[in-house]
Amino acid sequence: QAVVTQEPSLTVSPGGTVTLTCGSSTGAVTSGLYPYWFQQKAGQVPRTLIYETSNRHSWAPARFSGSLLGGKAALTLSGAQPEDEADYYCMVTYPHARVFGGGTKVTVL
Amino acid sequence: QVQLVESGGGVVQPGGSLRLSCAASGLSFSGLSVHWVRQAPGKGLEWVAVISHDGSHIFYADSVRGRFTISRDNSKNTIFLQLNSLRSEDTAMYYCARETTHWNWDHWGLGTLVTVSS
Repeated sequence: QAVVTQEPSLTVSPGGTVTLTCGSSTGAVTSGLYPYWFQQKAGQVPRTLIYETSNRHSWAPARFSGSLLGGKAALTLSGAQPEDEADYYCMVTYPHARVFGGGTKVTVL
Repeated sequence: QVQLVESGGGVVQPGGSLRLSCAASGLSFSGLSVHWVRQAPGKGLEWVAVISHDGSHIFYADSVRGRFTISRDNSKNTIFLQLNSLRSEDTAMYYCARETTHWNWDHWGLGTLVTVSS
């Protein structure tokens, strides 16, 4: 099964901007792999943040945006808030399977 | 209240079995695919299985194929995950999630905990 890679951890200053990336062992991540981003805060259930590369879920603030960048899926957080501190997981859609990345722990400090 | 509710978790010995359920309340699974995702304690998310709206398309992660079986009862608005030949590495919180026709995973359940231990 394919392997999806993410940065293990990133730190962003309050009000700052950070970009998380999501790569695939099979090659470039394209829109055809329908990349997703999920947010999970400590002790909470995961929730969908971005689907189909760049579509924000109804609850997601506009400071979160999804895109493709250099052969990877990317999640950009612009104007980070303390409440954005969480684990972020990408997931890629392969034929007959979905695969999550290992997650990126984002610290707002 | 709109929610997905998982049940059926518990403590089981290695080699044992459990049947998990995912019931929809205030929303429907009709016409939609549903996934199971698990998370071992302190670890990341792992996709487990998906079932299409009519059960005609079913796929599993390599780690569970041949041991787990996903099914659905549309008349009861419920999805099931049969877990057989359980191993210690199957210990995890198991979540179900609904996928809309537009690829959005719009609702997640609260999870049910499976512990495999002797």
